[in-house]
This record gives sequence, C-alpha cells and structure tokens, in this order.
Amino acid sequence: DVKVTQSSRYLVKRTGEKVFLECVQDMDHENMFWYRQDPGLGLRLIYFSYDVKMKEKGDIPEGYSVSREKKERFSLILESASTNQTSMYLCASSLQVEGNYGYTFGSGTRLTVV
Amino acid sequence: AQSVTQLDSQVPVFEEAPVELRCNYSSSVSVYLFWYVQYPNQGLQLLLKYLSGSTLVKGINGFEAEFNKSQTSFHLRKPSVHISDTAEYFCAVSETGGFKTIFGAGTRLFVKA
Repeated sequence: DVKVTQSSRYLVKRTGEKVFLECVQDMDHENMFWYRQDPGLGLRLIYFSYDVKMKEKGDIPEGYSVSREKKERFSLILESASTNQTSMYLCASSLQVEGNYGYTFGSGTRLTVV
Repeated sequence: AQSVTQLDSQVPVFEEAPVELRCNYSSSVSVYLFWYVQYPNQGLQLLLKYLSGSTLVKGINGFEAEFNKSQTSFHLRKPSVHISDTAEYFCAVSETGGFKTIFGAGTRLFVKA
C-alpha cells in the first residue's frame, strides 16, 4: 500500500523554537507539497518541490522554509515558531506537478505552539 | 487567478437521504477538478476527479460529480448516504499546465440516524 508518512501526529513546541516536520513518501513521486489546514480556510499551500533540491514558494511561505535532499523526503522547517503557526500541517505528493493524478496525503501533524 | 467556493460550510442530512455538496470555481483557463474527503484525524483522500471527457464522473463510495462548464460548478452527489459518510469534503481545482492545486474551505457533512 503506497504511503505518505508524516513523522509526528501531534507536536507541542514553545514560541521561538526551531521546528522540523518530516514527510516521507514511498511512491517515487517527483512532486511534494506542504499545506496548512485551518478551520474555515481550507488548505493553503506553504511550499512545494518538483525535484530534489528544488523548491517553490506557495501562497503563505512567510515564517517557513523547506528542504528536499532526497526524492522521498520533504521537510518543513519553522525557523522560529510562533503561536499563529498553531495548525494542522499536511504533506502530499503527486506524480505530476499539474495535478492531474491528484494528490496522496499524509495523515497530518497537529502542531501547537505555546 | 483561480479560486474555489464551497457554498455550504455544513450539511446535515438523515441516513439514506440524498445529498449534494456544492462547489463553484473561477479560472481563466482550462482546469482539472477534484473532490477529496477527510475523516476525523486523518489526511485527505481522493474521491474523484474530472480531467476531460464525460462531464459526469463517478468516484469511490458511491459518490459522483458533474462538471458544468457554463456554470463553473462541480457539485458532488450521493443518492443515499450512510453514517460512515460523515466527514469533511473538499473541492479542489488545478489549472492545466499549472503548478498548484487550490482547495475550497470545506463542507462538513453530518449524517444522522
């Protein structure tokens, strides 16, 4: 069964901490995405990557960075966590950037910043 | 720029009744359209997609959606819902040749016994 695995389901971090969210896919997909999900706002794209070491800003990249050193792994980094980054974070992957195969999502990481 | 509007934030319905979840989009170019479902404490799962061809698309779990280009809509329907269909449903659009998929705000479907 193909999978996108996010390393943590729940995280609690303190304001100002550097936070790493990890995502691994076993489908040999070229493209990977990080979204955050907030009630009433749906999913908003933070960053995406269409190849190893390549990254593109999404709609809300401020306060975040990403790393993709290997094809199967895409990390989201909160450089200095703030309370307004408390959210559900979803990682996804796909075969084509144009999205015509749809995305496979991980189960999400619920991050609380206190 | 493309956008997606889900017209209902919550839809309560009785078990075995039909349901329609409404989705409108805007885009200046051709699009691909998707519906995803999210069960509690899980990620999103693809229900169905429209890429081209027949405007009536059938998906998993008995759901179907109809693409209406003139009304820029992609409504999701099921003729008879089950308690297990209680979840949040997201409509999404991706421009052909584009890099991003835009998601609607979601519709919470509550199926009551």
